[in-house]
Amino acid sequence: GAGVSQSPRYKVAKRGQDVALRCDPISGHVSLFWYQQALGQGPEFLTYFQNEAQLDKSGLPSDRFFAERPEGSVSTLKIQRTQQEDSAVYLCASSPRGSTSGNTIYFGEGSWLTVV
Amino acid sequence: AQSVTQLGSHVSVSEGALVLLRCNYSSSVPPYLFWYVQYPNQGLQLLLKYTSAATLVKGINGFEAEFKKSETSFHLTKPSAHMSDAAEYFCAVSVGSARQLTFGSGTQLTVLP
Repeated sequence: GAGVSQSPRYKVAKRGQDVALRCDPISGHVSLFWYQQALGQGPEFLTYFQNEAQLDKSGLPSDRFFAERPEGSVSTLKIQRTQQEDSAVYLCASSPRGSTSGNTIYFGEGSWLTVV
Repeated sequence: AQSVTQLGSHVSVSEGALVLLRCNYSSSVPPYLFWYVQYPNQGLQLLLKYTSAATLVKGINGFEAEFKKSETSFHLTKPSAHMSDAAEYFCAVSVGSARQLTFGSGTQLTVLP
């Protein structure tokens, strides 16, 4: 597609429910990132994939958070047993190369998660 | 570790006035610096980036930023604000082999008629 696509755009989950958020990166992009943006804050890094390999998951806040990108394209962020503090916008981003700093990272519109 | 500080969580300017959004970074190695804009209910859009070429970087929509190593700053400016510039602006940094961006907490720009 033309840009990074995320679904669902809006999700309301009851506390304790599991959720899955999908990201479809720009076609051919090697790198894929997940960020969490709390209300009134800047995005915070969660995890990074280069193709299907998860090379960095240092930002995942707990073992309730899990991400995968099994075929090196679409990625899913799964949150188990959601809690109210998980309420945030989850941003997916992709970049054309697997190399590092200085490359432009393209963001999707985000998935807004509200845990009630 | 690198970090970014954006001074002023809210900035208001009159239409046609100068826009100045401040960003200071902390890094022990030469940084790559970015400004992103976020409109309501939308994702982040890259305005401009500094990658160690020219210190004055021109971006989209008439914005520019100047990298000042001595001041560890990368402030964003636009000579004349337009109503459509109202949005949230984020400064971000990455260094060395780090793949991810570290963002500031953002500055909400309001443009008054």
